[in-house]
Amino acid sequence: GAGVSQSPSNKVTEKGKDVELRCDPISGHTALYWYRQRLGQGLEFLIYFQGNSAPDKSGLPSDRFSAERTGESVSTLTIQRTQQEDSAVYLCASSLSRGFAEQYFGPGTRLTVT
Amino acid sequence: ILNVEQSPQSLHVQEGDSTNFTCSFPSSNFYALHWYRWETAKSPEALFVMTLNGDEKKKGRISATLNTKEGYSYLYIKGSQPEDSATYLCAFYNQGGKLIFGQGTELSVKP
Repeated sequence: GAGVSQSPSNKVTEKGKDVELRCDPISGHTALYWYRQRLGQGLEFLIYFQGNSAPDKSGLPSDRFSAERTGESVSTLTIQRTQQEDSAVYLCASSLSRGFAEQYFGPGTRLTVT
Repeated sequence: ILNVEQSPQSLHVQEGDSTNFTCSFPSSNFYALHWYRWETAKSPEALFVMTLNGDEKKKGRISATLNTKEGYSYLYIKGSQPEDSATYLCAFYNQGGKLIFGQGTELSVKP
């Protein structure tokens, strides 16, 4: 069956511009997660959704970052006024339930802010 | 602050060698421990999700053990093959709902 998909796969943007990253989870997966990996660093948790709600937004690095999820489906991560330190691979994952079920990761979006 | 530590950071072995690495995590408020394999240019792939103290899971040549009381998990690879080369990540899930990842152990298996 279809896995987690993300778009775009690569995005180059100028500092100060807004970007929107999209994640399509596996159908039926109620939990959805966003992570990022900056160069030379580990996977950093950003936010998770259980259904439509995001109980914990504390992982978002700043108020320039926001995320939403429509139904138990597509999620978008928006970064406003991008900065060079936002350059990273942004990974989305989904799972049948949060915590106890394995997560299925998408291919990621590589964001480069110039 | 929740810290998940993995050691070693990197490991270089010959084909056929058996190897193991360690994941240390907080022993309080434990819910689950995940192991993932992340090959270059691919997405992380789940290996195991472990929840019970003393749990031991196996998938082919790869196995993992869990000690929740002392806060560690071991991942073992028997008879390493070049295709096992990847970064192995562990992640700790607690009551807060986040999955906190370690920095990973990068394994390189030479033919």
